[in-house]
Formats: sequence, C-alpha cells, structure tokens
Amino acid sequence: AQKVTQAQTEISVVEKEDVTLDCVYETRDTTYYLFWYKQPPSGELVFLIRRNSFDEQNEISGRYSWNFQKSTSSFNFTITASQVVDSAVYFCALIRPAGGFKTIFGAGTRLFVKA
Amino acid sequence: DAMVIQNPRYQVTQFGKPVTLSCSQTLNHNVMYWYQQKSSQAPKLLFHYYDKDFNNEADTPDNFQSRRPNTSFCFLDIRSPGLGDAAMYLCATSRVSSAPDTQYFGPGTRLTVL
Repeated sequence: AQKVTQAQTEISVVEKEDVTLDCVYETRDTTYYLFWYKQPPSGELVFLIRRNSFDEQNEISGRYSWNFQKSTSSFNFTITASQVVDSAVYFCALIRPAGGFKTIFGAGTRLFVKA
Repeated sequence: DAMVIQNPRYQVTQFGKPVTLSCSQTLNHNVMYWYQQKSSQAPKLLFHYYDKDFNNEADTPDNFQSRRPNTSFCFLDIRSPGLGDAAMYLCATSRVSSAPDTQYFGPGTRLTVL
C-alpha cells in the first residue's frame, strides 16, 4: 500500500524558533518522487521541493532544509528561524510512476508561528 | 505572472443548480488535474486529463464531470451540487513525460452551496 503520514496535525512555535515537520511514507516501489507543498491561508498550494528516490542528498534553500532518509522512509522538513509568514499548512506528497502519476498527499501539518 | 488561473475565485450556487468552474494555464502542460479539498483535509483527486485522455478516479461521484476543449483550458461541471460538495476546488497542471514533474496549482475556487 502507498501512504504518506504526517503525524503532527498542528505545531505552534514562537518566531525565530526552528521547527521540523515530519513526513513518513510507505511504498514498495523503487522509483518514486517526494514533494513538499505549502498552503497559506490564501489557499494556493505552493511547490517547495521535489526529490526522487535515487537522490538522498539533503537540500538547503535559505531557511528551509530537507532531510531524506530511505532507511527510515522519512522526508522531514525543517524551517530555521521561523517567521510569521511561514504560518501555513504544509503537505508532504508521494508520486509513483507505477501508480499513474497520482499524487498521494499526507494529511498536512498546520504550522502557527506567533510573533 | 499567473500560470494556472482559476475562475471564479468564489462561487455561490444553490442546492441542485448546475455550476461550472474553469481553469486555464499558460504553461502548455499536457496534464491537468482537478482536486477537491474540504476544510482541514488534504486535496482529493477527482480526475485528470493526460492530453485528451480523461482519467476518472474510481470514487469520484457521477455528479462531477470535466471537459478539456484544448490544452489551455479545463472545466469542472457539477451537475447537481449538494451541500456536501461545498469545498475548495483546485486545478493543477504538470508536464509528464518519462517522469512525473511538479504539479503547479491554481489559487482555487471556493464553492458554497446554499
């Protein structure tokens, strides 16, 4: 079965704190793609990162960083020095080419960053 | 520069009155998707078009239909909206060749059913 689990429903932090959003996925495929999307209150899903299953290199983009570990089937997302504008719902997602490119979304983690 | 445009942003309809939501894209992507997202839930795929090929999800109600007259436009028709169809409807596009590419989402249309 294919599944994406975001165990944290809501996280609340104070501005400038670091926060990590967890994502655990399940698939038996060897080829798959993982994504993170941000959904601010305006509603639009904003693409953050795409990672394929053969590339375990971690990535840093400004205050954002991602830790991909196939051994634990996790693709965690860390925001360093959080800001109020980071408040949003964050979705982790999985696409399997064998599944017709259908996106499997996690339930999302709502992040509140307080000033 | 908007790449995936959805109109209207907010739509109010009456119970049972047909409604059409529209999506257009300037990316020339070959795949277009329609998702339904209810409050505090993940987006749920209704169907997608791979070029002109329509792919319906098994659990999408017959009440939901779609049309894609050309590469740029895709429509979602709800034939007889019920109260349970009130949701945000998201359109997305992607370029699919040998590997799935990123899906780009529009801003969504929030549908209210009275």
